[in-house]
Amino acid sequence: DIQMTQSPSTLSASVGDRVTITCRASQSISFWLAWYQQKPGKAPKLLIHKASTLESGVPSRFSGSGSETEFTLTISSLQPDDFATYYCQQYNSYSRTFGQGTKVEIK
Amino acid sequence: QVQLVESGGGVVQPGGSLRLSCAASGFIFNTYAMHWVRQAPGKGLEWVAFIRYDGSNKYYADSVKGRFTISRDNSKNTLYLQMNSLRGDDTAVYYCAKALSNFDFWSPFDYWGQGTLVAVSS
Repeated sequence: DIQMTQSPSTLSASVGDRVTITCRASQSISFWLAWYQQKPGKAPKLLIHKASTLESGVPSRFSGSGSETEFTLTISSLQPDDFATYYCQQYNSYSRTFGQGTKVEIK
Repeated sequence: QVQLVESGGGVVQPGGSLRLSCAASGFIFNTYAMHWVRQAPGKGLEWVAFIRYDGSNKYYADSVKGRFTISRDNSKNTLYLQMNSLRGDDTAVYYCAKALSNFDFWSPFDYWGQGTLVAVSS
């Protein structure tokens, strides 16, 4: 199975900060990578797919980049609504593995 | 609008069985692959199972292979997860999720249900 590793596990930031989360795949997944946002007690929400395609309705402060084995999610100016846990997911194989998550906390 | 509503969760003893259902509406169900994803309390997301839009292909996480069975009834717009030989580490909120693109195998999940809690405990 393809393993997905996110860093950091926790990130403390302030409103207005630029935030970057990294996701690494154990083998090449081309650009078959998605990012999700999850808030406590809620289902995940799709933010980005195909590594850099913004899902409809997602604010443009979110962006994704990368290919093969290294990917990033960037929030250009952190807003109060963005404090949440973020997961990457590969969908290049039958087993659709997730990263372990990155919790973005208020500093 | 797309809606996915899970049901069937509850408390079950180790070794027991449970069947989860996911009622879908607001989209052409028989053209989209569907998935089950679970989340243990305080933990991350774990993909569980996939079923092709027509039910012809099914894939499972190693942790549930041989114990769980995913199925669908396209005439009822409903997805199922039959869970047998349940263990303590199967305790989790179980979500059904819809593939973003119809007829497309390589697709992330654009809609999720609200989740149903399965607790395995004696």
